[in-house]
Amino acid sequence: QSVLTQPPSVSGAPGQRVTISCTGSSFNIGAGYDVHWYQQPLGAAPKLLIYGSTRRPSGVPDRFSGSKSGTSASLAITGLQAEDEADYYCQSYDNTLSAYVFGSGTKVTVL
Amino acid sequence: EVQLLESGGDLVQPGGSLRLSCTASGFTFSDYGMTWVRQAPGKGLEWVSMIYKNSLGTNYAESVKGRFTISRDNSKNTLYLQMNTLRVEDTALYYCAKAQGGIVQGWHFDYWGQGALVTVSS
Repeated sequence: QSVLTQPPSVSGAPGQRVTISCTGSSFNIGAGYDVHWYQQPLGAAPKLLIYGSTRRPSGVPDRFSGSKSGTSASLAITGLQAEDEADYYCQSYDNTLSAYVFGSGTKVTVL
Repeated sequence: EVQLLESGGDLVQPGGSLRLSCTASGFTFSDYGMTWVRQAPGKGLEWVSMIYKNSLGTNYAESVKGRFTISRDNSKNTLYLQMNTLRVEDTALYYCAKAQGGIVQGWHFDYWGQGALVTVSS
């Protein structure tokens, strides 16, 4: 069972907005550690999407945005496109495990 | 352009050993921490181990502690993962990734290789 909890799946029509939650605890997100997000299309390696909870690496469209509050974080995708179909993972650090932890993953389906 | 290329994946029997390598290019390897992340077939991502720049420190997931050893050779721009006493549950695609960030706010992994497949089976 993952330390960071994500919904197994979310879906939306092209052009719509979807959000993915990442719920942690006072030992990871709530302890002040940054949350990062990765996109993994089927059969491909993960790609960094959001770092430092809210920052986008160069080349990542501004349709992707991140936020963090308390013990949770969220990834929002606006103007959903077919190419956004992928698995998405949040990641942070847990100070009781002394380990980097990933969320359980969320599959985004474009209807 | 940053490139990470894993090698060494193979089929190995339970209890056996294997060493993975990750050759880096396109950045100053010695300036960055590096990490291994694995993904079992059909499952999510699991962090395995991290080594800080200049080998100043290492840490491991509880599931591999005492069995796996991470190391690096900065003169060869290469990261290693020595895996001993392998178990069936270690079967996964092993990714190496470049680390960015810091101890205070935590690290993230900004570039990933394509992975090396390790299969543990009799």
